[in-house]
Amino acid sequence: EAQVTQNPRYLITVTGKKLTVTCSQNMNHEYMSWYRQDPGLGLRQIYYSMNVEVTDKGDVPEGYKVSRKEKRNFPLILESPSPNQTSLYFCASSWTREDTQYFGPGTRLTVL
Amino acid sequence: QQQVKQSPQSLIVQKGGISIINCAYENTAFDYFPWYQQFPGKGPALLIAIRPDVSEKKEGRFTISFNKSAKQFSLHIMDSQPGDSATYFCAASIAQAGTALIFGKGTTLSVSS
Repeated sequence: EAQVTQNPRYLITVTGKKLTVTCSQNMNHEYMSWYRQDPGLGLRQIYYSMNVEVTDKGDVPEGYKVSRKEKRNFPLILESPSPNQTSLYFCASSWTREDTQYFGPGTRLTVL
Repeated sequence: QQQVKQSPQSLIVQKGGISIINCAYENTAFDYFPWYQQFPGKGPALLIAIRPDVSEKKEGRFTISFNKSAKQFSLHIMDSQPGDSATYFCAASIAQAGTALIFGKGTTLSVSS
């Protein structure tokens, strides 16, 4: 089954404790991206990757890092999480940047 | 210029009624306009999309109407059903230039039975 998986689905952490949210897709897509969804603000892109070892900032990259060492995986790293990063995070993948985005199930992160 | 403005923020429709969600944009270079549907606890999923060379696209009960001169596009859900209750996002991109999707802020639709 074609899918995008994210782990963990739910995470509660404390300020400053480094965390990684994993994302994996099995569709051989070249383009992957991370979004955060906040009430009243819709979906905002954090980072994206056009291919392996090619990443770039989206609209709200501050406080986040990503890496793309393999085509299927695109982890999101929060080196020092802060409460304003409490949000619902989605990973997505597609063949190209403008193509249909396939979204993962989401990760709900709470930073205390 | 890069914004996509979506309205209304929330919508309540009776079963069998027509749901209408509107989006407006400024950047005339946008050439791809998808709508995504998101159910609670799930990620968004592509519902229907349109390119500006057509004024309307219909898939089942879902129709996109596109007005290039007004820089507006809308989603119409005919014969709305309780199962249509979800959050809907419009989006836009410059497909030819390979730009990222710009999403509207979303509309939460509730269809009452």
